[in-house]
Amino acid sequence: GAVVSQHPSWVICKSGTSVKIECRSLDFQATTMFWYRQFPKQSLMLMATSNEGSKATYEQGVEKDKFLINHASLTLSTLTVTSAHPEDSSFYICSARDQGVSNQPQHFGDGTRLSIL
Amino acid sequence: RKEVEQDPGPFNVPEGATVAFNCTYSNSASQSFFWYRQDCRKEPKLLMSVYSSGNEDGRFTAQLNRASQYISLLIRDSKLSDSATYLCVVRNRRALTFGSGTRLQVQP
Repeated sequence: GAVVSQHPSWVICKSGTSVKIECRSLDFQATTMFWYRQFPKQSLMLMATSNEGSKATYEQGVEKDKFLINHASLTLSTLTVTSAHPEDSSFYICSARDQGVSNQPQHFGDGTRLSIL
Repeated sequence: RKEVEQDPGPFNVPEGATVAFNCTYSNSASQSFFWYRQDCRKEPKLLMSVYSSGNEDGRFTAQLNRASQYISLLIRDSKLSDSATYLCVVRNRRALTFGSGTRLQVQP
């Protein structure tokens, strides 16, 4: 079945570092991918919608200059957390849906656990 | 008001018990409905889609009431491996909106 691959799965880095997270759809094309964030004991919250070939759409309260999204191909979206600080520590998950097939659920990557020291 | 509301639990039940989770959503234009399961520190995994006619998958039964904007999940004959957080999920035009999840702990 459709699979979404996310890399890296775990990042620990110093405050001020920029971190790039990749999300790939492995056996389907995704013109749209979604980035979510989950803080401990909270639910997943949509951060932004990544659109292939155009600008991402950010949810209210999410800084677009802080969380840079690039969706350069139909199978790859990247999220870069720029100048990360401890408050950015969270679980980041991407998802995509095979839009070539109707009524398909969204498939999630394994998530990236980001810890900023 | 949250767009998707769930009882956070935790629900602590013995093996073999039947347990029911409820969820309400606020956007009447919501198009699709799902239950996801999330294990600790893992990504959510689709458990089942939810339809107005109700649907069953083994020990799991899901029901949608569009008029009441209410979704339910029933788990029969609970197993230890059912211990997880169950997320009620609603899809509008594009992305998914997640409830905060209901934690289930099945005890031996």
